[in-house]
Amino acid sequence: DAGITQSPRHKVTETGTPVTLRCHQTENHRYMYWYRQDPGHGLRLIHYSYGVKDTDKGEVSDGYSVSRSKTEDFLLTLESATSSQTSVYFCAIHPDGTETQYFGPGTRLLVL
Amino acid sequence: SQELEQSPQSLIVQEGKNLTINCTSSKTLYGLYWYKQKYGEGLIFLMMLQKGGEEKSHEKITAKLDEKKQQSSLHITASQPSHAGIYLCGADLRGNTGKLIFGQGTTLQVKP
Repeated sequence: DAGITQSPRHKVTETGTPVTLRCHQTENHRYMYWYRQDPGHGLRLIHYSYGVKDTDKGEVSDGYSVSRSKTEDFLLTLESATSSQTSVYFCAIHPDGTETQYFGPGTRLLVL
Repeated sequence: SQELEQSPQSLIVQEGKNLTINCTSSKTLYGLYWYKQKYGEGLIFLMMLQKGGEEKSHEKITAKLDEKKQQSSLHITASQPSHAGIYLCGADLRGNTGKLIFGQGTTLQVKP
C-alpha cells in the first residue's frame, strides 16, 4: 500500500459537464501522475507533476487540466466531459530514490 | 502503432503450464517495468530491468531484458490460478524522465 487514494472510485456524468477527480497521497512525494486506461491502449499519461504548482502535459492531455496546490493532492479536471473520456483513470506516485511508480486503485468514469 | 508492443494480447493456459509474455520496444529502452493488474484494481509492481542481459525473479515469475533486441520477456513457471490477470510492461523511452509508456497489456487466464 503506497498510501494513495482516489476519489470518487466510480462516477457517471453527462456530456458537457465538468468533472474533477482527486488523487491523495499521505507521504509527501514530489512526483505524481495521471493516466487513463483503455482497452487496446494500455495506460497513457495525461499530466504529471514535479511538485506544488509544477505540472506538465503527457501524451493525451487535450481536454484535461490539472492542479496541485498542496503536495498531497493532485486534481484532474475534465473541463467539459465527452464520451471519449469514458475510461479508467489511475493516479501514480514515484517516491524519490525508488525504481518504480506506485498506482492508486483507479476511478471508473462513464460519460453519457 | 504502439511504441511498446506486447504479445500475445491474451493467453489461456492450463494450471501447471509455463508461459511467456513478450514486450518489444520501437525505441531504446532506459528501463523496463512489469506490472500485474487484477480486474477492477490498480497496478502491482512486479520488477524493473535496467541493464541489457539483466534477469530478475519474483516467486515463480522471471523477467529478462535483451537490450539489443529492445525486448523483455516475462516467464511464469508452473502457472497457478493466482497468476491470472493483466500483465503490462512499461518503459521510460526518453531517458530517466519518469514518464512511462505502456504496452497494451496481456490478459492471462489460468484454467484449474
